[in-house]
Amino acid sequence: SQQGEEDPQALSIQEGENATMNCSYKTSINNLQWYRQNSGRGLVHLILIRSNEREKHSGRLRVTLDTSKKSSSLLITASRAADTASYFCAKRNGGNNNDMRFGAGTRLTVKP
Amino acid sequence: KAGVTQTPRYLIKTRGQQVTLSCSPISGHRSVSWYQQTPGQGLQFLFEYFSETQRNKGNFPGRFSGRQFSNSRSEMNVSTLELGDSALYLCASSVQPNTEAFFGQGTRLTVV
Repeated sequence: SQQGEEDPQALSIQEGENATMNCSYKTSINNLQWYRQNSGRGLVHLILIRSNEREKHSGRLRVTLDTSKKSSSLLITASRAADTASYFCAKRNGGNNNDMRFGAGTRLTVKP
Repeated sequence: KAGVTQTPRYLIKTRGQQVTLSCSPISGHRSVSWYQQTPGQGLQFLFEYFSETQRNKGNFPGRFSGRQFSNSRSEMNVSTLELGDSALYLCASSVQPNTEAFFGQGTRLTVV
C-alpha cells in the first residue's frame, strides 16, 4: 500500500502565487523526502527532512514536518510555469530494513 | 559527477519473454532501490540493495528479481512478462539507506 499520502491530488494556480502540498503518513518515520517529476521522466530530489527536524529550506521551497500530526508540507513560493509537475513525498520508516514508500502525488499546474 | 544511469531507456517485449534492466548508481553510492511506476498504481517499491545484499522487497511476484554487484551496479529481471508489467521502471541510488536518494531517468518497458 502507498505510504505518505499527498493532498490535494491536483492544484492549479497562477504564476506568482504560492503552492502548498501536504503529505500525511501513518507510522513513525526516519525521514521524508520530496520529489518533483515532469511527465514520464525521472524524479528530481527536492528536500530530505529528518524526523528530528521541523523545517528546511531550499531556494523557493520550504518543507515542514509535524511528527505529532504525522504530516509534512511543501510550500513553493512565487511559483513559475516551470514548476508545473507532479510532486511526491516519500517516507522512510524508522527501524531496520526500512524502505522508502511513495504517495500518489500532487499534480501542480502553474498558469502563466 | 555523473547521475544515475539506467539502460536501456526504452524497451518493447512480447508477452512471455524476459527482460533485464540495468542501473549504474552515482559514484560512491552503495544503495540502490527499484520502483515501478504505472498510471493506475503510482510508484510501487520493488527492491532495495545495499552492499550487494537485498534489504527489502516489495509486494511483487517472484517473476521480479534483482541483484547488486560488487561495484554497486544493479540489475532487475522480470521473467514471463505480462501486459500489466508495462511501466516506467525507476532506479534510485544513495550513499546508504536513510540518505538522499537520486533517481535515474527510468526505463520505459512496453509489453505487447
